[in-house]
Amino acid sequence: GENVEQHPSTLSVQEGDSAVIKCTYSDSASNYFPWYKQELGKGPQLIIDIRSNVGEKKDQRIAVTLNKTAKHFSLHITETQPEDSAVYFCAAKAPGGGADGLTFGKGTHLIIQP
Amino acid sequence: DTGVSQNPRHKITKRGQNVTFRCDPISEHNRLYWYRQTLGQGPEFLTYFQNEAQLEKSRLLSDRFSAERPKGSFSTLEIQRTEQGDSAMYLCASSLGRDYNEQFFGPGTRLTVL
Repeated sequence: GENVEQHPSTLSVQEGDSAVIKCTYSDSASNYFPWYKQELGKGPQLIIDIRSNVGEKKDQRIAVTLNKTAKHFSLHITETQPEDSAVYFCAAKAPGGGADGLTFGKGTHLIIQP
Repeated sequence: DTGVSQNPRHKITKRGQNVTFRCDPISEHNRLYWYRQTLGQGPEFLTYFQNEAQLEKSRLLSDRFSAERPKGSFSTLEIQRTEQGDSAMYLCASSLGRDYNEQFFGPGTRLTVL
């Protein structure tokens, strides 16, 4: 089955700086890669996603890049703000059938230092 | 609030008792997913439904776990004869359907087994 590795496990950046979180996946059939933000005591919130026919996607301060050949994808957050502090999860999904569940990485605890 | 809702938010039970959790998906979503999240880990896929049909249940953790979605709307997850290792956050997510990848999560039910 799919395996998703995520790094780093903790990331501390100064407010206003950029943050980058990286993930690799094992199943070359995976074609959908979402990123979730989870705050303490809450469920994961979808913040951005990318499909395998696209190399990059941007939404305001957040961008995701995908390298299908290398089987890795990254989340980029620019001009970080205190409210960006949370745990971020990457995930991957292969098309159809019993593989419809997302496989998540172990998460990155992002700390924004004031 | 038109998001995914879960009840109860917290459940404390004694080992050996049965527990049942409820999930109400976003109203027009016909796919519903259950995940388990333990401390410091990403969510782990358990099972999912397309309307009332349970299409994947091989990932359920043991035969003590079962899920239903009798009328294709809300779903319940039952754990029989709970064990201390069942303590976790149980998350529900929903999506529009087969051709829509985006999964939206509820706030979760935190289970503590004493």
